[in-house]
Amino acid sequence: DGGITQSPKYLFRKEGQNVTLSCEQNLNHDAMYWYRQDPGQGLRLIYYSQIVNDFQKGDIAEGYSVSREKKESFPLTVTSAQKNPTAFYLCASSRRQDGFNGYTFGSGTRLTVV
Amino acid sequence: KQEVTQIPAALSVPEGENLVLNCSFTDSAIYNLQWFRQDPGKGLTSLLLIQSSQREQTSGRLNASLDKSSGRSTLYIAASQPGDSATYLCAVYNSGAGSYQLTFGKGTKLSVIP
Repeated sequence: DGGITQSPKYLFRKEGQNVTLSCEQNLNHDAMYWYRQDPGQGLRLIYYSQIVNDFQKGDIAEGYSVSREKKESFPLTVTSAQKNPTAFYLCASSRRQDGFNGYTFGSGTRLTVV
Repeated sequence: KQEVTQIPAALSVPEGENLVLNCSFTDSAIYNLQWFRQDPGKGLTSLLLIQSSQREQTSGRLNASLDKSSGRSTLYIAASQPGDSATYLCAVYNSGAGSYQLTFGKGTKLSVIP
């Protein structure tokens, strides 16, 4: 079945550590996205990518980095510069950026700072 | 800037009741609108996608309507069941060249009481 796989489901980060969240899709979608979800704040866009080797900052990109070396993969690195990384992270994809066929989401990664 | 509001923030109904969830948006120049369901600690599951040229979409007990001119969408759930308990999110995509413009509401948390 086609879909988006996020791993790991739970991730613990120590102070000053960089961690990478994985997002893989087998839907042949061109566009991929990373969102952060905090209680009471809704979903906020971190980064998005329309095509391979290209990505754009979203509303809250500071302290995060991404790469898009393959169409299927869009990993997110949470760097030590992100001062409050504890949150639920969601990856999504769409066939086109305009979402003509809608958006598909992964099951999320919960990141906790210890 | 597009703003999406979902009212009420929480709703509790007895099993079997029909109910309506509301979504309003400030910029009517939308390309499409999508309703999602989110269970606690899980990702988003797409329920219905309405293109700007459409008035409604139906899937089983769910019916979503769209009135672009008034900036409103409703999600109607017939004969509610305890398994419908979840948070329901609406998201709108604004047409226009350039940057990615998908905006989410903060959701309505639905509890269906057996």
